[in-house]
Amino acid sequence: GESVGLHLPTLSVQEGDNSIINCAYSNSASDYFIWYKQESGKGPQFIIDIRSNMDKRQGQRVTVLLNKTVKHLSLQIAATQPGDSAVYFCAETWDQGAQKLVFGQGTRLTINP
Amino acid sequence: GAVVSQHPSRVICKSGTSVKIECRSLDFQATTMFWYRQFPKKSLMLMATSNEGSKATYEQGVEKDKFLINHASLTLSTLTVTSAHPEDSSFYICSARAQGINYGYTFGSGTRLTVV
Repeated sequence: GESVGLHLPTLSVQEGDNSIINCAYSNSASDYFIWYKQESGKGPQFIIDIRSNMDKRQGQRVTVLLNKTVKHLSLQIAATQPGDSAVYFCAETWDQGAQKLVFGQGTRLTINP
Repeated sequence: GAVVSQHPSRVICKSGTSVKIECRSLDFQATTMFWYRQFPKKSLMLMATSNEGSKATYEQGVEKDKFLINHASLTLSTLTVTSAHPEDSSFYICSARAQGINYGYTFGSGTRLTVV
């Protein structure tokens, strides 16, 4: 949903474990969602997306789940690797929203060796 | 794939001066570009949406006279921070939406602005 300026929550996992990052969005009219990965000092990098007519989508080592009833989105990363350490953001947009992409607060993922 | 080039990557300017940041779509035509601002350890906050040939639409609380946005062509949008002050120091990121590609958003690499 709209960024409210909160500090980033953090998630720390062991290398090789699975990670689940959660996101709550606020706009019930949102119909398209994207997960981004951002490394320090860089722009967001696309990971996976999902439309509102789906509840699950899988990519390589990543899965996105969408629960429109409770306006919740999650990103699952399988067998995490050191290179997965970054900040992860969900973003939403809606057809009547001038196509603008609104970011959630983000989660910092740290992979422990 | 779609590529967006943002320049400069870092800039330091003195208080009171203006600085321009460029955002170029290299291999596609972007009818819509977005400008974000990001403070340390915070999320990306949308500043404005610009459509080619039209005035930018600013988000609530963003000063349009402070942050001038020009989207003169389908491949270039610029953000000018006018009369910069230290509080304008931030990480600025642009995004371009590819024309003809449904919901394709591509981000630039960001510009670190430091006002001294």
